[in-house]
Amino acid sequence: GQNIDQPTEMTATEGAIVQINCTYQTSGFNGLFWYQQHAGEAPTFLSYNVLDGLEEKGRFSSFLSRSKGYSYLLLKELQMKDSASYLCAVRAGGSYIPTFGRGTSLIVHP
Amino acid sequence: DAGVIQSPRHEVTEMGQEVTLRCKPISGHDYLFWYRQTMMRGLELLIYFNNNVPIDDSGMPEDRFSAKMPNASFSTLKIQPSEPRDSAVYFCASSSGASGRAGADTQYFGPGTRLTVL
Repeated sequence: GQNIDQPTEMTATEGAIVQINCTYQTSGFNGLFWYQQHAGEAPTFLSYNVLDGLEEKGRFSSFLSRSKGYSYLLLKELQMKDSASYLCAVRAGGSYIPTFGRGTSLIVHP
Repeated sequence: DAGVIQSPRHEVTEMGQEVTLRCKPISGHDYLFWYRQTMMRGLELLIYFNNNVPIDDSGMPEDRFSAKMPNASFSTLKIQPSEPRDSAVYFCASSSGASGRAGADTQYFGPGTRLTVL
């Protein structure tokens, strides 16, 4: 099985930068996804990392270190609409199917 | 494309009743997934299909749950009989397959069915 850990909740101020961490323990790592889920809505894809390093996409960036079993999602210039749950999902062991973490609830306040 | 379509969006039923959830995946996607999400357990994979064939149903909680995919554009998740602990949001998702490219592997989720069993 896989162990995926994320903080349960984080708060940040509008306009600031926040980093949401995800650590995992698995064998045969084969990719890590980040999804955003607003309350009452479906998860939507944000980013995918399979190689070490930083992937930047607008205000959002995702980093991966396979040797450390570690990823983070970086959100810059926070906006109120960024208040949501952020799910880390790991694919491993030859399986095509990612396993989701419990998610981190981010609250952005003025 | 309209995205993944699920119905109903909300379902309230009484314990012991049969519940059927429906899903229409994105056209051309050959993988279909059923998930259940609760506050306690997060997002759990129940079952997934590839080309209409069930591949892994190890996440199905018990025999009361069953899923079918009679064709490429339709799937159902059935709970019979339903129990209060089945109350959750059930998501259907689809993807285009393991091409090795991130865009092709991404799962696209439907809006979910919020099930309440009284």
